Amino acid sequence: NAGVMQNPRHLVRRRGQEARLRCSPMKGHSHVYWYRQLPEEGLKFMVYLQKENIIDESGMPKERFSAEFPKEGPSILRIQQVVRGDSAAYFCASSPPASAGNTIYFGEGSWLTVV
Amino acid sequence: GESVGLHLPTLSVQEGDNSIINCAYSNSASDYFIWYKQESGKGPQFIIDIRSNMDKRQGQRVTVLLNKTVKHLSLQIAATQPGDSAVYFCAEMTGGSYIPTFGRGTSLIVHP
Repeated sequence: NAGVMQNPRHLVRRRGQEARLRCSPMKGHSHVYWYRQLPEEGLKFMVYLQKENIIDESGMPKERFSAEFPKEGPSILRIQQVVRGDSAAYFCASSPPASAGNTIYFGEGSWLTVV
Repeated sequence: GESVGLHLPTLSVQEGDNSIINCAYSNSASDYFIWYKQESGKGPQFIIDIRSNMDKRQGQRVTVLLNKTVKHLSLQIAATQPGDSAVYFCAEMTGGSYIPTFGRGTSLIVHP
């Protein structure tokens, strides 16, 4: 299955630690999205990237959160000094180059629990 | 469905019935719409999409209807099965953006 791959699926961190979530897009996809989902809520956009470039980070908290999509390797969402409010499911999605269409496909998510 | 408090709107149906899940969108410039299904503990799964130059699109057991006049989208599921139980989200996009905006979702419960 060459779908969007996310790891780890579940991550537990103590307050103040760092969390790193990884995402490998579908084969042939060059654009990656990160969304956050709180329990019983919809998906909130965080950031939209292509290789080596952040296209839109309007949904990213101003502090502690960062994202990258290097030339080689997966996209990484990094949360520094985690707090309990960061506990959520983080979903990555990918899409082909924008000119090829708009549908985005999601991974199975990474569930972060901050204790 | 309509949002009430902090809980997802819920639609309960009997197996074999047809289900209709509704979604209101706010941006009149939105020109592309997607329905996703999310099962518990999993990621959203693409179901069907529709562009604003269409009123209706059919897939396997699913139909999406778009009413641009009242900015309303619906997902119809024929002969609903227990495996259809999930949360359904609609997402909208405008031509100038490639970032889908999601609604709150509707929980569909199918009783055997």
